[in-house]
Amino acid sequence: AQSVTQPDIHITVSEGASLELRCNYSYGATPYLFWYVQSPGQGLQLLLKYFSGDTLVQGIKGFEAEFKRSQSSFNLRKPSVHWSDAAEYFCAVSGGSSASKIIFGSGTRLSIRP
Amino acid sequence: EAGVAQSPRYKIIEKRQSVAFWCNPISGHATLYWYQQILGQGPKLLIQFQNNGVVDDSQLPKDRFSAERLKGVDSTLKIQPAKLEDSAVYLCASSLTSGSGEQYFGPGTRLTVT
Repeated sequence: AQSVTQPDIHITVSEGASLELRCNYSYGATPYLFWYVQSPGQGLQLLLKYFSGDTLVQGIKGFEAEFKRSQSSFNLRKPSVHWSDAAEYFCAVSGGSSASKIIFGSGTRLSIRP
Repeated sequence: EAGVAQSPRYKIIEKRQSVAFWCNPISGHATLYWYQQILGQGPKLLIQFQNNGVVDDSQLPKDRFSAERLKGVDSTLKIQPAKLEDSAVYLCASSLTSGSGEQYFGPGTRLTVT
C-alpha cells in the first residue's frame, strides 16, 4: 500500500536560513510526488510536483524538491526562508492514473524565528 | 479565475445532529474531491467525483456520510447523525482531470461536534 512519512512534526528555522523538509514514500511503481502548503485557515496550495524527467523540480515561492529513487525520498528545500513561509507543509504521493487517489503525509509545521 | 468556494466556513453542532457542507468548484473542472482533515493529520480523501459520477468513495463512512454532485457542478456533503470524532476540517478540491495531482483546494469548513 502506498504511504507517505514526514518524520518532522514541527521545525523552527531563523529567517534567512536554509530549509529542508523531509519526505519518504512507499509505492510499488514510479510515483507522482507533490508538495502542498497550507497557511492557517486556508486550503492547500500546490508548491511543486514530480511526474518524470529531471529529478530536481522547481516550484513556486522559491521552493525546490529532489526525487531520490534509491532513498524513496522527495525532500523540499529553500535556500533562504521568509517569515511568510510559516505554514504547514504536506508531502503527497499518487499513482498518477485517474483511478489513483492522492495520499498525504501528516504534515510538518514550519515556524520562523525572527 | 475564481477559486473553489465552500460554505459555511465554521459550524458547531451537537452529536447526533445533522450537517451539510456545500462546495462550488472552479468552472470547467470535471473532478471534485471531498477530504476530511483531522487536527494534526493530512487530508484524507472521502469521495471523488468525475462529473456527476462517483469514482472513489472507499473511505466514506456510508452509514452516516453522503455526498452528491448533481449536474456535475456543485456538490454537497452531509453527515447524519454526527459523532464527536467527525470534528475536523472538510476540504473540497477540484481539478481539470483526475490523477494529475493538480488539485485546487477551497478554504475548508471547520466542523466542531460537541
